[in-house]
Amino acid sequence: GENVEQHPSTLSVQEGDSAVIKCTYSDSASNYFPWYKQELGKGPQLIIDIRSNVGEKKDQRIAVTLNKTAKHFSLHITETQPEDSAVYFCAALNSNSGYALNFGKGTSLLVTP
Amino acid sequence: EAGVTQFPSHSVIEKGQTVTLRCDPISGHDNLYWYRRVMGKEIKFLLHFVKESKQDESGMPNNRFLAERTGGTYSTLKVQPAELEDSGVYFCASSQVGTYEKLFFGSGTQLSVL
Repeated sequence: GENVEQHPSTLSVQEGDSAVIKCTYSDSASNYFPWYKQELGKGPQLIIDIRSNVGEKKDQRIAVTLNKTAKHFSLHITETQPEDSAVYFCAALNSNSGYALNFGKGTSLLVTP
Repeated sequence: EAGVTQFPSHSVIEKGQTVTLRCDPISGHDNLYWYRRVMGKEIKFLLHFVKESKQDESGMPNNRFLAERTGGTYSTLKVQPAELEDSGVYFCASSQVGTYEKLFFGSGTQLSVL
């Protein structure tokens, strides 16, 4: 089955700096890659997603890049703010095999003022 | 619009007891999923309903877990009898018909089996 590795497990940055979280996947047929943000006491919330036919997608301060050849994708957050502090999960899905998302273990991001 | 609602938010039970978790998806969402996160590990898929039908239950750990979605609205996940390794956070998610994208998650049920 699909295996998604996520790094780092924890990340601490100063407010205003950039943060990058990286994920690799094993199933070359995976075609959908969402990123979720989980704040304390809440469920994961979709913040950005990308399909395999796109190399990069941006939404204000967040962007995701996908390298299909290397089977890795990354989340980039620029100009970080304290409210960006949360646990971030990457996931991968091969829609031809069903609708089950395969998640990474999560990255705990702390943005210090 | 109300989001995905899960009940209870926390449950503490003893090994061997039964627990039933409930999920109310977003109104009109035909796809309903159950996921589980054991502490420090990844969020793992359990099963997927389309309306009242089980589309994929490949992630269910064993036959102590029973999920239902009668009438295609809310869903329940029963664990009977509960074991220590069942502890974790159980998430429910829903999405619109015909798409695997844009999942909306509930806040989860924290299950502790002692």
